[in-house]
Amino acid sequence: AQSVTQLGSHVSVSEGALVLLRCNYSSSVPPYLFWYVQYPNQGLQLLLKYTTGATLVKGINGFEAEFKKSETSFHLTKPSAHMSDAAEYFCAVSPGSGNTGKLIFGQGTTLQVKP
Amino acid sequence: KAGVTQTPRYLIKTRGQQVTLSCSPISGHRSVSWYQQTPGQGLQFLFEYFSETQRNKGNFPGRFSGRQFSNSRSEMNVSTLELGDSALYLCASSLAGTGVADTQYFGPGTRLTVL
Repeated sequence: AQSVTQLGSHVSVSEGALVLLRCNYSSSVPPYLFWYVQYPNQGLQLLLKYTTGATLVKGINGFEAEFKKSETSFHLTKPSAHMSDAAEYFCAVSPGSGNTGKLIFGQGTTLQVKP
Repeated sequence: KAGVTQTPRYLIKTRGQQVTLSCSPISGHRSVSWYQQTPGQGLQFLFEYFSETQRNKGNFPGRFSGRQFSNSRSEMNVSTLELGDSALYLCASSLAGTGVADTQYFGPGTRLTVL
């Protein structure tokens, strides 16, 4: 069965520092992977997704993620954190054929950005 | 283009009552998925509707049900409410051609509190 593990429920960085949020997945089929962000009292907003092709995926707001099949990882990075990046981040995997409309989410990582 | 809308945004009910939540997808989107978000269990998939048919279902009891109308709007119903049903209920829509790799666009959610 597919699953997603996000390492670290809370990550704290200083403004201007590198952001690294970790995500490992388990999938028996080629995965479709997503990163979403959730601000307080809001729904989820897509940051980026990997389906096929280039393993380095660029998203919105300066975020990017690299798909590493050998490591079953899809870590999210941003070179320089802004105060506005403080939010909760979710990694998700689509389970594949026969599981339409379903995403399996990790438990989320809360990003704190210190001034 | 307008995003996914959910009504109501907040709801307070008592145990044993039933509740209906509504979701209007992005224009042209034919798939609607529903998720439950709680601090303990995280984001969990409830079900997905496409062309007025439930196409996929998560592991929730039969008290949770849904439907989709011909204009793709969807409703979910929870009967005989329990305290543990208190959660943020998120609706997401997608084009749903193939289904598994489609980007899901989320609404702001309905916050249900069961007293």
